[in-house]
Amino acid sequence: GAGVSQSPSNKVTEKGKDVELRCDPISGHTALYWYRQSLGQGLEFLIYFQGNSAPDKSGLPSDRFSAERTGGSVSTLTIQRTQQEDSAVYLCASSSGDTQYFGPGTRLTVL
Amino acid sequence: AQSVSQHNHHVILSEAASLELGCNYSYGGTVNLFWYVQYPGQHLQLLLKYFSGDPLVKGIKGFEAEFIKSKFSFNLRKPSVQWSDTAEYFCAVNGPGGGNKLTFGTGTQLKVEL
Repeated sequence: GAGVSQSPSNKVTEKGKDVELRCDPISGHTALYWYRQSLGQGLEFLIYFQGNSAPDKSGLPSDRFSAERTGGSVSTLTIQRTQQEDSAVYLCASSSGDTQYFGPGTRLTVL
Repeated sequence: AQSVSQHNHHVILSEAASLELGCNYSYGGTVNLFWYVQYPGQHLQLLLKYFSGDPLVKGIKGFEAEFIKSKFSFNLRKPSVQWSDTAEYFCAVNGPGGGNKLTFGTGTQLKVEL
């Protein structure tokens, strides 16, 4: 079946611009996660949505980062006023239980 | 906060050699443990997982891992590696200390030479 999909696959932006990254989870999965993979920091948790509950935002590195999940399905991660240190691969995962399935990621480059 | 340590950052092996990658976690309560693999140019894939029961778990492609609670360890093993096992391997944990979110180790880059 279809896995987790993310778009765009690559995004190059200028410092100070806003970006939106999209995640389409596996159909029927109630939980959705965002992680960031960067050199020197490894894989870091950002935010977690579970059904209609309030999201766990404990991993967001600053208030420039936000995410929403509409209709319990698609999610958008927004980074405002991007900085060079935001350059990373942003990964989305979804699950219906304890196992998370990852998408291919969006590689963000901030010039 | 939960933390995960992977002791080997880069490992180079010849084909048919045995593999063991170390993983230790910090939280002492009930946890779920995972090994994920990322092949070159591909996304993270689940290799195996441990939730409860038999502490020796078997995954895909001949990999296995052993959960040793007293050592807070979940080491990954394979008796005989292949060139196609060249990839980055990540140990991860979730559990009551961190909820459902995964805490990852820094990863081990494995290169298998012919």
